[in-house]
Amino acid sequence: DTGVSQDPRHKITKRGQNVTFRCDPISEHNRLYWYRQTLGQGPEFLTYFQNEAQLEKSRLLSDRFSAERPKGSFSTLEIQRTEQGDSAMYLCASSFTGTVSYEQYFGPGTRLTVT
Amino acid sequence: AQSVTQLDSQVPVFEEAPVELRCNYSSSVSVYLFWYVQYPNQGLQLLLKYLSGSTLVKGINGFEAEFNKSQTSFHLRKPSVHISDTAEYFCAGGGGADGLTFGKGTHLIIQP
Repeated sequence: DTGVSQDPRHKITKRGQNVTFRCDPISEHNRLYWYRQTLGQGPEFLTYFQNEAQLEKSRLLSDRFSAERPKGSFSTLEIQRTEQGDSAMYLCASSFTGTVSYEQYFGPGTRLTVT
Repeated sequence: AQSVTQLDSQVPVFEEAPVELRCNYSSSVSVYLFWYVQYPNQGLQLLLKYLSGSTLVKGINGFEAEFNKSQTSFHLRKPSVHISDTAEYFCAGGGGADGLTFGKGTHLIIQP
């Protein structure tokens, strides 16, 4: 079990650029979640997938945010036309529907800085 | 709306002293409750969870929490803290077929 991995760990971009983050879940986990964490706050739920289906996306922050999980394995989160307010830590988590609690395991996060 | 409230943003405590970190949840949050710990520049690590059954749950690193339905609380406790416990602690509720709802976090500061 290698855990949830995220790439890159850090990303610095200029305002207006597009960025894409990748998340690789624990291999047997069929659910994958994205969260955003701003300084001094708890993580904020954005979206989740069960296998390749995106079952909840109404909490994405704007239409500049999109996520995919094309083959039900890794996922990508894209932010178009980045703004300074997008600077945050983006966390990915995965879980397995075979467990009652759907306990979520988190990756180390991608820290985005928009200049 | 679902909500999880952590009443203290910072808790300073001396090493080897006991500590309690407070968490209250709204009744609309499904009663799966979790405590996570976050060390600087790292992701979240699960400390413990309440699903059902015994209201006292034990977790890793000597932490425990008590689920209190009448007070809608899920406070985290440790009888004796160490310097290595310095971190941010998050209470969360929900899960299942939805994301977790997190509190704002409590920064535990261990003083030598």
